Amino acid sequence: AQTVTQSQPEMSVQEAETVTLSCTYDTSESNYYLFWYKQPPSRQMILVIRQEAYKQQNATENRFSVNFQKAAKSFSLKISDSQLGDTAMYFCAFMITSFQKLVFGTGTRLLVSP
Amino acid sequence: DTAVSQTPKYLVTQMGNDKSIKCEQNLGHDTMYWYKQDSKKFLKIMFSYNNKELIINETVPNRFSPKSPDKAHLNLHINSLELGDSAVYFCASSPSGLVETDTQYFGPGTRLTVL
Repeated sequence: AQTVTQSQPEMSVQEAETVTLSCTYDTSESNYYLFWYKQPPSRQMILVIRQEAYKQQNATENRFSVNFQKAAKSFSLKISDSQLGDTAMYFCAFMITSFQKLVFGTGTRLLVSP
Repeated sequence: DTAVSQTPKYLVTQMGNDKSIKCEQNLGHDTMYWYKQDSKKFLKIMFSYNNKELIINETVPNRFSPKSPDKAHLNLHINSLELGDSAVYFCASSPSGLVETDTQYFGPGTRLTVL
């Protein structure tokens, strides 16, 4: 069975600083996708970034980037120049290519303070 | 121009009642999903439909019955509601079916409270 582990239940960072959220996963599959979703207090689930397992290059989206270490089964999210609007729960998720279902981690609550 | 919409956003009901949550997507996607988020924020898939056909059915009580009248709609009907059904239910959709995997886009969620 596939599992996703987020070992940091809560993180704090000050505005303009950089923070890294950790995620590890376990699978014997070789074709899969990894995602980070953000859930602000509004409850909406918002896609932050995605990574295809077959790509060695780390994905980036503006201030968000990942460090994908396939051998170590690690997929961390780096948020640069943190903003107050980044305050949210962040979920790491995994999807096997053929199965379509997302398997989520337990989430990391990020608080960005002024 | 809402992409994935759910109604209602909040639902409060008594134990034993039957209720439905509706989901619609205007993205032209082939696949739709229902996820449950419990009180500890843990998200787990319940069902998925591809072009009105059930493709994923996790170990969900048969009191939960999804219905897909067309590929733009996936409704969730729950019979004989129990206290443990209280959760936030998310609908999602993705553009590809069984051929390849793609990103899932979520609705705003429906908070169900069973008293």
